[in-house]
Amino acid sequence: SQWGEENLQALSIQEGEDVTMNCSYKTYTTVVHWYRQDSGRGPALIILIRSNEREKRSGRLRATLDTSSQSSSLSITAAQCEDTAVYFCATDSNYQLIWGSGTKLIIKP
Amino acid sequence: EAAVTQSPRNKVAVTGGKVTLSCNQTNNHNNMYWYRQDTGHGLRLIHYSYGAGSTEKGDIPDGYKASRPSQENFSLILELATPSQTSVYFCASGGDWGGNSYEQYFGPGTRLTVL
Repeated sequence: SQWGEENLQALSIQEGEDVTMNCSYKTYTTVVHWYRQDSGRGPALIILIRSNEREKRSGRLRATLDTSSQSSSLSITAAQCEDTAVYFCATDSNYQLIWGSGTKLIIKP
Repeated sequence: EAAVTQSPRNKVAVTGGKVTLSCNQTNNHNNMYWYRQDTGHGLRLIHYSYGAGSTEKGDIPDGYKASRPSQENFSLILELATPSQTSVYFCASGGDWGGNSYEQYFGPGTRLTVL
């Protein structure tokens, strides 16, 4: 497998807190994608970070990429109830996306 | 309007029956993909296509066939459905792999139950 964890991780926090989700990958990639999947819908890209970027920000989202340790993180600042979703990281490999198993994030009011 | 649509949205099939899942995209993307997603797991690639007339095997192609008759349409075919194929199936489209990477655009999914 491309990814260390095989099963869906679950994370539950209070509204207003910050949260960080981590992914580690095994093979070389030039880009790490972060997708969000709302219940009953397909995944949608929320942020993408390239190998020449250590950090990328988009609104309350912050992605990091450490190519030396082959790991990436996604942080959400001041989480809101509408951030409740499953978050996936994915890497490029042979012109395909290789998907991690995801983190189920629940934001409690 | 949705750029990737799937039909049907829900399907109940019997073991041994034939099932066809359809996908249509209006993104004018060359690449299209079929994934399955099982409860508590990520996406696994079944088949993909680089353009009309082409189909390629993904990571888990056994028991599935694919057809890409046009730029817009990509079908997934289960000739002899089995209960192990009960899952949610997602279709996606994406542009060419120029540069470093590109985004995949997903349909809403088809929930398939094989009894």
